Amino acid sequence: GEQVEQRPPHLSVREGDSAVIICTYTDPNSYYFFWYKQEPGAGLQLLMKVFSSTEINEGQGFTVLLNKKDKQLSLNLTAAHPGDSAVYFCAVRRGSALGRLHFGAGTQLIVIP
Amino acid sequence: AQTIHQWPVAEIKAVGSPLSLGCTIKGKSSPNLYWYWQATGGTLQQLFYSITVGQVESVVQLNLSASRPKDDQFILSTEKLLLSHSGFYLCAWSLGGFQDTQYFGPGTRLLVL
Repeated sequence: GEQVEQRPPHLSVREGDSAVIICTYTDPNSYYFFWYKQEPGAGLQLLMKVFSSTEINEGQGFTVLLNKKDKQLSLNLTAAHPGDSAVYFCAVRRGSALGRLHFGAGTQLIVIP
Repeated sequence: AQTIHQWPVAEIKAVGSPLSLGCTIKGKSSPNLYWYWQATGGTLQQLFYSITVGQVESVVQLNLSASRPKDDQFILSTEKLLLSHSGFYLCAWSLGGFQDTQYFGPGTRLLVL
């Protein structure tokens, strides 16, 4: 079955610095990719969904890159601010309808003012 | 706009006692519904999903059960809690299809003593 490795588990950066989180998956049939943000005691907030046909996806203050050859998905926060402090999860699934979401272990990001 | 509500917000229960957690989705008709469990500091593990009223599929057996008594309601329950049931329970919804995207509720924190 699908295995999703996420790294690093913990990341501390200074305000204004960039932060990169990487997920590596194993199933070559994975087609949809998601990044979620979880603030303390809260549910998961969808940051971005990425479909297999798009390699570079830009959001507000972050970029998601998909490298299908290496089966790697990355989240790059370009200029982190304290409000970005949270746990970030990647999730992947196959292209079939109702395909199961496979989550990474999460990355605890702390942005130091 | 759709809203997802989970109840209770938090529970402290004794080992061996029963449990019932609820999830309600408003603003979407016939959503797919999901239950996830998250250990403290851990990743998400899908427990159940349902694509229609009265139909629930189990993904992981954790001595829990789920039911969908109404189109907009998903219930997670057990008759006898274990210490290992402690954690954060998240409900999610999606509309299905090949671009299926899951959206999460605020979660219920459960502590079993």
